[in-house]
Amino acid sequence: GDSVTQMEGPVTLSEEAFLTINCTYTATGYPSLFWYVQYPGEGLQLLLKATKADDKGSNKGFEATYRKETTSFHLEKGSVQVSDSAVYFCALSSSSNTGKLIFGQGTTLQVKP
Amino acid sequence: EAGVAQSPRYKIIEKRQSVAFWCNPISGHATLYWYQQILGQGPKLLIQFQNNGVVDDSQLPKDRFSAERLKGVDSTLKIQPAKLEDSAVYLCASSFTGTANTGELFFGEGSRLTVL
Repeated sequence: GDSVTQMEGPVTLSEEAFLTINCTYTATGYPSLFWYVQYPGEGLQLLLKATKADDKGSNKGFEATYRKETTSFHLEKGSVQVSDSAVYFCALSSSSNTGKLIFGQGTTLQVKP
Repeated sequence: EAGVAQSPRYKIIEKRQSVAFWCNPISGHATLYWYQQILGQGPKLLIQFQNNGVVDDSQLPKDRFSAERLKGVDSTLKIQPAKLEDSAVYLCASSFTGTANTGELFFGEGSRLTVL
């Protein structure tokens, strides 16, 4: 079945460092791909998405490119801030489009001043 | 716009007891989801409703879990009897359906269950 694999955390960075969180997926067809973020004490919220190969999703300085050839959707940010400390989840929605999301296990990011 | 509302936020029960969680989705969202998030893992879908019909309940442990969405709006998830391994955060989410669906799910803050 469809699945998502994320890099293990926690990831600890200093402020203004470059961030990469790896995400790869297994799916039949052409899924849509998402990054969700969960800030401390808050619910999951959509960070960015891409719906077809080579699309780049971006929001709040974060970017991810849908790479069909490597089945990847890595999250990047050029300069992280303390306020980016959160848990990040990669997810896919299958091409059958029932709407449900399949999530990776999450990666905790801690940014230190 | 009001978000997805869930209650209670926290619940502690003994094993073999029962518990119920309530969810009120965003107004106009026809699709409602219940996810289970065990500590250190990603959310796992338990059940998906479209209006008051079940779309997917393949991963719902039906011997102990039940869910309903009687009028196509609010939903209740029940666990009876609870087991230790049911300790988790239960997330409710909703989304538009059809051409209005952007693929985004809107999540509530979750209900944290501890089974002792």
